[in-house]
Amino acid sequence: GNSVTQMEGPVTLSEEAFLTINCTYTATGYPSLFWYVQYPGEGLQLLLKATKADDKGSNKGFEATYRKETTSFHLEKGSVQVSDSAVYFCALSPFSGGYNKLIFGAGTRLAVHP
Amino acid sequence: GEEVAQTPKHLVRGEGQKAKLYCAPIKGHSYVFWYQQVLKNEFKFLISFQNENVFDETGMPKERFSAKCLPNSPCSLEIQATKLEDSAVYFCASSPSLPDRSTDTQYFGPGTRLTVL
Repeated sequence: GNSVTQMEGPVTLSEEAFLTINCTYTATGYPSLFWYVQYPGEGLQLLLKATKADDKGSNKGFEATYRKETTSFHLEKGSVQVSDSAVYFCALSPFSGGYNKLIFGAGTRLAVHP
Repeated sequence: GEEVAQTPKHLVRGEGQKAKLYCAPIKGHSYVFWYQQVLKNEFKFLISFQNENVFDETGMPKERFSAKCLPNSPCSLEIQATKLEDSAVYFCASSPSLPDRSTDTQYFGPGTRLTVL
């Protein structure tokens, strides 16, 4: 079946530290991969995505590379800010097209302190 | 509109009562999705629509849950005889129908928090 596994949080960092949140997936076929972010009290916002192997998604200083050989899509940021504090969700869409359901990981809470 | 709208923001029901949630997708989007976020952030897919037709209902607990997307009306998710375990945030998302998978994305609404007492 299809599933997503994320590292458990919370992740607590000081401002300007390097961030990595691990995400691995299991899927049949060629999924699209996503990172969504949920700020306190808000809905999900798409952070970045990749639709095929070796694609790199990037946005707001965050990056993730679609690694088919390791079935991974780890999220990284070189220098985090307090405003990055949120819950981050890795997700996959099993088939091509935006009409397919998303399968989410459990989420990783990030807390950044000044 | 340019955003997915969900109403109400909060809903409180006594156990056994009915709950009805609404979602207005982004104008021009053909696909609508409902997800349930329970404690510890877990997201569960419930159902999706292509226009007014059910597209995928594999996540739907059919005994008490139902959903519709009718033309010229907001989509709705209804829970008959709510139970304590239905307490969650219910998110709606919409997506355009695009042939280019590199641009396909689901856009989420702000959610409806349902509390069953």
